[in-house]
Amino acid sequence: TQLLEQSPQFLSIQEGENLTVYCNSSSVFSSLQWYRQEPGEGPVLLVTVVTGGEVKKLKRLTFQFGDARKDSSLHITAAQPGDTGLYLCAGGVIRMRFGAGTRLTVKP
Amino acid sequence: EAQVTQNPRYLITVTGKKLTVTCSQNMNHEYMSWYRQDPGLGLRQIYYSMNVEVTDKGDVPEGYKVSRKEKRNFPLILESPSPNQTSLYFCASGGGPRGLSEAFFGQGTRLTVV
Repeated sequence: TQLLEQSPQFLSIQEGENLTVYCNSSSVFSSLQWYRQEPGEGPVLLVTVVTGGEVKKLKRLTFQFGDARKDSSLHITAAQPGDTGLYLCAGGVIRMRFGAGTRLTVKP
Repeated sequence: EAQVTQNPRYLITVTGKKLTVTCSQNMNHEYMSWYRQDPGLGLRQIYYSMNVEVTDKGDVPEGYKVSRKEKRNFPLILESPSPNQTSLYFCASGGGPRGLSEAFFGQGTRLTVV
């Protein structure tokens, strides 16, 4: 059983559509991170959320941390083919735990 | 350029033959960690190190060893590899201005044990 559950596992959409991916846990985390991983590469940090209810924006990406600091969401507006990749959420700092990821494909 | 470098990128070996995967970072980070990534399971932490000569087990340490003799290097050692250790391995470092949660990952080592 994953400590962090991500949904959906796979997502295939057309360019220009909006999407939301979720990261849920029964545990409280002091911080949650979102990473993007492309084939043949290591994960790259997108954002860290720390405060319950926090919303952070990175261009067309909006990240939200749940009030209880147990869940997070990533919303992408007007997705582009360059957004294609594996999106991973991770909780904790030293003993970092990762979700299994959402594999996003954006078709031109 | 700030980076975490792993070697080799690809490795095929036989059961029981000791191997070492090297990891080096040039950011003067105190924290380093090893993960394995398997389909459907995400990344699972093998070992981590908070500083030189300070290492501790992660969630899946069985069959692995690590050492931290220098701040920049954190090798992963498989004394007697087995086929269930076939996986994609990542080294990461952290501890920059934004804290330990900002982890930088290497490009990965794909290990196959036959």
